[in-house]
Order: sequence, then C-alpha cells, then structure tokens
Amino acid sequence: DQQVKQNSPSLSVQEGRISILNCDYTNSMFDYFLWYKKYPAEGPTFLISISSIKDKNEDGRFTVFLNKSAKHLSLHIVPSQPGDSAVYFCAASAIGTSYGKLTFGQGTILTVHP
Amino acid sequence: ETGVTQTPRHLVMGMTNKKSLKCEQHLGHNAMYWYKQSAKKPLELMFVYSLEERVENNSVPSRFSPECPNSSHLFLHLHTLQPEDSALYLCASSQGLAGGLETQYFGPGTRLLVL
Repeated sequence: DQQVKQNSPSLSVQEGRISILNCDYTNSMFDYFLWYKKYPAEGPTFLISISSIKDKNEDGRFTVFLNKSAKHLSLHIVPSQPGDSAVYFCAASAIGTSYGKLTFGQGTILTVHP
Repeated sequence: ETGVTQTPRHLVMGMTNKKSLKCEQHLGHNAMYWYKQSAKKPLELMFVYSLEERVENNSVPSRFSPECPNSSHLFLHLHTLQPEDSALYLCASSQGLAGGLETQYFGPGTRLLVL
C-alpha cells in the first residue's frame, strides 16, 4: 500500500509559466512534508518543506500548499525555468518517529520548455 | 568536502563478487540511511542507523550488509548479488532528532550494475 502518491508521472510546461506538482497521502499520522528535486545521476536535493501546522510555505519561486482535510499537497513553481527540469519527489514524515523517517512518492518528471 | 559523499559513483560487479559502498557525511548528523532506487519506483528505505545503532531494517536480503562504524561513516557490503539488485543506491543523513520533523540530505548515489 503506497502511502504517498504522485499520480502524474510527468508534466510539461512552457518557460515562464506556472508548474504545479501534486501529491496525495493516506496516512493521517504524517505531519511533515518535503519536496525533493533530482537530476539524472545525482541524489535528491531538498527543495522545500511544510509542517502540518501550516497550510503554505514559500521560498522564492517555490511554494508548497498543504490541504490536510484532503490529504493533499502541491508544489508551485513560478515562473518555471528550463533548469527546473528534473524529477520531483514528495515525501512525508510521521509524528513520533525517533529519526526523520521519510516515505516517498514515485516522482513526477517535470520538463520546462524554452 | 561538504554534505554527503558516496564512493564509488559507479560499480559493475559479477554475481560472485564482494564489494562495498561507502558513504560519509560532513554535516554533524546522527542518523544515516541507505535507500535503493530502481527504475520507475519510489525510493525504498533499506536501513537506518541512529547514533551508530541500526534502528530499521526493511526486510532487506542478507546479501546486503550495512555497517556504521561511527556517526560520519556508513557502509553497505555487497555479496552474491542478483541482476535485479542493479539500481541507484543512495545514502542520506539527518540530524536524528527525537520526534522526527527533520530533513534528510542525500549523497549523489552509487549506480550499481550486477552482471
């Protein structure tokens, strides 16, 4: 049973437009959510996070929204740039773990066209 | 060196070989992780070490053997692997705070091919 799902395997966006990547989760114990970006042949790079006490967190061009009632989070990238083309993973952490155990989604491949 | 480093970056081995993957973190973290990433699958957590003690082992076959000699170093010893073990092996570290709510930082990975 996959507890974190990214239902869109890929997304294609024009440069300058908004990219919206979505993630759904099923475990109501998750209280910390992260987005990672991964280029080919590299490890995932931390992008932005949000805890369950917030519904929005912004960092430059990146904003993460959390809808706890819908168990849904999204990552908005505005404006999108060709360098943003990568695989984006969402991840979640549950309350009370003694270390930062993360459950990952399958990833969404974002392609930003010039 | 900064962050999390992994060596080697690429490894080709036969099914009868024995090899080791090395991970080193320069972040002063207390928790370290091994993940496996196969094509079109989510990252699979393999092992977790917190303060050099193994705290999680996710039903990983015994042909994978982790070792954490200190909080900065993590090894994954490989022997008699199968072709389906070919994947990207990622190491990560985090502060290891009680209660979670922390970020993991990843190394670049070792691309393993088992022939």
